[in-house]
Amino acid sequence: KAGVTQTPRYLIKTRGQQVTLSCSPISGHRSVSWYQQTPGQGLQFLFEYFSETQRNKGNFPGRFSGRQFSNSRSEMNVSTLELGDSALYLCASRFGSDRAGANVLTFGAGSRLTVL
Amino acid sequence: GENVEQHPSTLSVQEGDSAVIKCTYSDSASNYFPWYKQELGKRPQLIIDIRSNVGEKKDQRIAVTLNKTAKHFSLHITETQPEDSAVYFCAAESYGQNFVFGPGTRLSVLP
Repeated sequence: KAGVTQTPRYLIKTRGQQVTLSCSPISGHRSVSWYQQTPGQGLQFLFEYFSETQRNKGNFPGRFSGRQFSNSRSEMNVSTLELGDSALYLCASRFGSDRAGANVLTFGAGSRLTVL
Repeated sequence: GENVEQHPSTLSVQEGDSAVIKCTYSDSASNYFPWYKQELGKRPQLIIDIRSNVGEKKDQRIAVTLNKTAKHFSLHITETQPEDSAVYFCAAESYGQNFVFGPGTRLSVLP
């Protein structure tokens, strides 16, 4: 079955612009999480959506937002881009419900954002 | 909230030797502990996981141990090979909460 798909894979923006990233989860998965990965900073949690509702949120400023659609696809948006937003943004999906194997998190290939 | 620490941050071993990476967590409610391997330029991939009702789990050359009392868990890789070179992340999760990842360990297997 298809894995987690993220688009676009690469993008370049300038400071002050905004960007929208998309994530299509594994079929049947209702939870989508977003992570920011920068060298030396590991995987920083942004937020998780489950059945179109934000279930958990990390410690990022309000410029970072997301949403989830009824088909479980998710988007994240970053407004007023800063140089420090340059990173690999990873999306991950899981079933998210109380069933065996529901926790297992599967990552997409990521969207690499460069802010100039 | 949960906090996960991971040590060492870098680890170099000779091919064929064993490697051990250790993680500690703070939230006693955490009950699921996966390990992810991220090769250069690739996505993190699950290599092994353990749930809080189990003390040890093995999969060929990889094993994970969990000590709930001490709140720590470890990844053990035996007979290391060059393809084991990667960054390894541990994580902790309790139901309904987000995964919290450790900062990662860069493992280098020297030929």
